Amino acid sequence: AQSVAQPEDQVNVAEGNPLTVKCTYSVSGNPYLFWYVQYPNRGLQFLLKYITGDNLVKGSYGFEAEFNKSQTSFHLKKPSALVSDSALYFCAVTGAGNNRKLIWGLGTSLAVNP
Amino acid sequence: GAGVSQSPSNKVTEKGKDVELRCDPISGHTALYWYRQSLGQGLEFLIYFQGNSAPDKSGLPSDRFSAERTGGSVSTLTIQRTQQEDSAVYLCASSSRTSFSEQYFGPGTRLTVT
Repeated sequence: AQSVAQPEDQVNVAEGNPLTVKCTYSVSGNPYLFWYVQYPNRGLQFLLKYITGDNLVKGSYGFEAEFNKSQTSFHLKKPSALVSDSALYFCAVTGAGNNRKLIWGLGTSLAVNP
Repeated sequence: GAGVSQSPSNKVTEKGKDVELRCDPISGHTALYWYRQSLGQGLEFLIYFQGNSAPDKSGLPSDRFSAERTGGSVSTLTIQRTQQEDSAVYLCASSSRTSFSEQYFGPGTRLTVT
């Protein structure tokens, strides 16, 4: 069965420190991987995606993610966290034959402390 | 340009009543998705439209739930004989044609069944 795991319900980090939000997946075929962010009382926003090519993907707001095929991971990273990055982060994956149905992780709540 | 819009933003209804939720996708987006998000939970896929047809209805929780899309644009999600467990935020998203296109989300409709 295809699945996405975000092993941490919550991540706490001090402002200015690097942050990592973890995501691992299980999907048949080559995966398409996405990160979305949900700020408090706002809708879900697309951050970045991996389709093919360079394993390091850069996205909005200074975020980046690295596709690691051997570890089936797609961790979200940012070199220096901001308080305004505090939000709920979702990882999602689909396979080429999935009729574009995204499989979603349960989300990780990121709290950046001043 | 305009994003995905949903109406109403909030809906309170009595158990047993029918409700209709509306989604206006981004103009030109051929794919449309409905999700449900319960408090503290991830996204639950409900149904996917490509144009006016629904290749994947696998996420609809019961036959009380139905959805249609007309003119390749507006979609309506109908819940008949609402139950308290239907209370959630219902999210709509749209995307362009390719299988690796990101989804753009509306602000959601918060449904409360009393």
